[in-house]
Amino acid sequence: EAGVTQSPTHLIKTRGQQATLRCSPISGHTSVYWYQQALGLGLQFLLWYDEGEERNRGNFPPRFSGRQFPNYSSELNVNALELEDSALYLCASSFDSAGNTEAFFGQGTRLTVV
Amino acid sequence: QKEVEQDPGPLSVPEGAIVSLNCTYSNSAFQYFMWYRQYSRKGPELLMYTYSSGNKEDGRFTAQVDKSSKYISLFIRDSQPSDSATYLCAMRVNTGNQFYFGTGTSLTVIP
Repeated sequence: EAGVTQSPTHLIKTRGQQATLRCSPISGHTSVYWYQQALGLGLQFLLWYDEGEERNRGNFPPRFSGRQFPNYSSELNVNALELEDSALYLCASSFDSAGNTEAFFGQGTRLTVV
Repeated sequence: QKEVEQDPGPLSVPEGAIVSLNCTYSNSAFQYFMWYRQYSRKGPELLMYTYSSGNKEDGRFTAQVDKSSKYISLFIRDSQPSDSATYLCAMRVNTGNQFYFGTGTSLTVIP
């Protein structure tokens, strides 16, 4: 069974541009979480989608946004990129409606803003 | 106060040592506890998952939860160089609630 997949693996953008990151959850999982992990820092919670709706968002500016599609895949958009947005962006999925509580992570997208 | 506190280390031990990794938390409603291992520049990998208080063993790994003290631990026996990674604790109240992560403890096992 395929795990959580993220694309692209690496992304290089210039300051002011927009970045789009994609996540496909484990088949059957309905919840998708996005986290930012800057170098040497812990996971910072960005967004949580479940059944197509945004359930919660972390303490990030509105230029961080996303959505979840009917097939439960998700997209994270970062507008007006700043140098400090350079980080590993991780997506995780879980299957809450089945009573499962663990989250499984993808390998991340490394975003570099120059 | 942060929801979850975890000593960032770094922790360095000789091969074969017993390693103890710990997290404390403030929300007494947390019921589900997880430990993840993250190798450099990779996504976190789920190692252990426990519900409520008690111990759970899986090979060289033992997860322990003490809800009365709001304290969880991960023990690694006979540590190996391949165990060198960052270990993250995570917890949640229930399904339908978000996860709360510790900042991670960096572990190096020296051959």
